[in-house]
Amino acid sequence: DIQMTQTPSSMPASLGERVTISCRASQGISNFLNWYQQKPDGTIKPLIYYTSNLHSGVPSKFSGSGSGTDYSLTISSLEPEDFAMYYCQQYDSYPNTFGAGTKLELK
Amino acid sequence: QVQLKESGPGLVQPSQTLSLTCTVAGFSLTSYNVQWVRQPPGKGLEWVGIIWNTGGTRYNSALKSRLSISKDTSKSQVFLKVNSLQTEDTATYYCARDSGYWGQGVMVTVSS
Repeated sequence: DIQMTQTPSSMPASLGERVTISCRASQGISNFLNWYQQKPDGTIKPLIYYTSNLHSGVPSKFSGSGSGTDYSLTISSLEPEDFAMYYCQQYDSYPNTFGAGTKLELK
Repeated sequence: QVQLKESGPGLVQPSQTLSLTCTVAGFSLTSYNVQWVRQPPGKGLEWVGIIWNTGGTRYNSALKSRLSISKDTSKSQVFLKVNSLQTEDTATYYCARDSGYWGQGVMVTVSS
């Protein structure tokens, strides 16, 4: 199975700040990487697919990049609704494993 | 409008079988894959398995011997069965479609 190492596990940040979350795969995943946001009520919102493509309705303050084994999610200017959990998921091979998550917290 | 909604029992006894249903709307199960993902309380997301539009399946290898995913395309429903339940199977179970659509999740507690 491909292991996804997501860092950091938690990140205190301020409103308006630019933040980056990283995900490293244990082997190359050919850009087959999703990013998700999860709110405290459990609602999961897909943000990005295939490394850098935004799902419909996702604001452009979210962006994704990467290749090979290393990928990242950047939020350009934090707003109150962005403080949540974020997960990466590889879908290059089964099982489609997730990172352990990053909790974005208000500093 | 694409929608997915999970349903099932909230409480199941250890060693029993869990049966969950994902009822979809706004698309055909013959055109899209549907996956199941679960999340134990306070923990991260775990991929459970997938049923392809063609009906083929793939499962999490750690759960494979206890899992079954099937569907009824005429009823727009996908089914997840987990047998020999353990307390570690307590989780919120989500179904999700390709291209960014998820259900709200259903909480399942395994307890006597």
